[in-house]
Amino acid sequence: DTEVTQTPKHLVMGMTNKKSLKCEQHMGHRAMYWYKQKAKKPPELMFVYSYEKLSINESVPSRFSPECPNSSLLNLHLHALQPEDSALYLCASSQGGSGQETQYFGPGTRLLVL
Amino acid sequence: DAKTTQPNSMESNEEEPVHLPCNHSTISGTDYIHWYRQLPSQGPEYVIHGLTSNVNNRMASLAIAEDRKSSTLILHRATLRDAAVYYCILRTGSNYQLIWGAGTKLIIKP
Repeated sequence: DTEVTQTPKHLVMGMTNKKSLKCEQHMGHRAMYWYKQKAKKPPELMFVYSYEKLSINESVPSRFSPECPNSSLLNLHLHALQPEDSALYLCASSQGGSGQETQYFGPGTRLLVL
Repeated sequence: DAKTTQPNSMESNEEEPVHLPCNHSTISGTDYIHWYRQLPSQGPEYVIHGLTSNVNNRMASLAIAEDRKSSTLILHRATLRDAAVYYCILRTGSNYQLIWGAGTKLIIKP
């Protein structure tokens, strides 16, 4: 099974709402990632978890709060977002962080902030 | 930081070979060259990667210049299902990060 699943597929939220994005993988990968992708742009790295610990935070605003409850699950908690946060949010996983390792991406959650 | 440069878009006819170029003139000795593609409404998917030697797999071939400052992704017989944005990416040896190019939108004409 080389699949990364993400829920929900689509999400519409107001600026005062709290919502969460969920990502799951069962490949035994020890690294998990959140990316943000705006239209016609490549994905931008937000967070990396390695062995369930936050390893990289790319200066992401605190209204985005990641969580890794176990080695298979990754959540992204959203609170008080702005309209400019509307984007495709991608989750990925890899065995580790070495240069030749492949990242497996989920289909993404398309988020619209009103 | 190393960067990659790709053409914005390319067109090709169905069932013909496609050569997608990428320049990475500031590549370091430990950077791997990866290619991913993103089909419409999907997440990126891995295509191929290499370090110094040319590589082949069932999806594509990767030709790496001798000085490693450029590479070419080769799709041997493009189909309509290969229409996607192709990203040329550098990945440093012990770093989780991918350094993405802007991507080439590949258009396949029937």
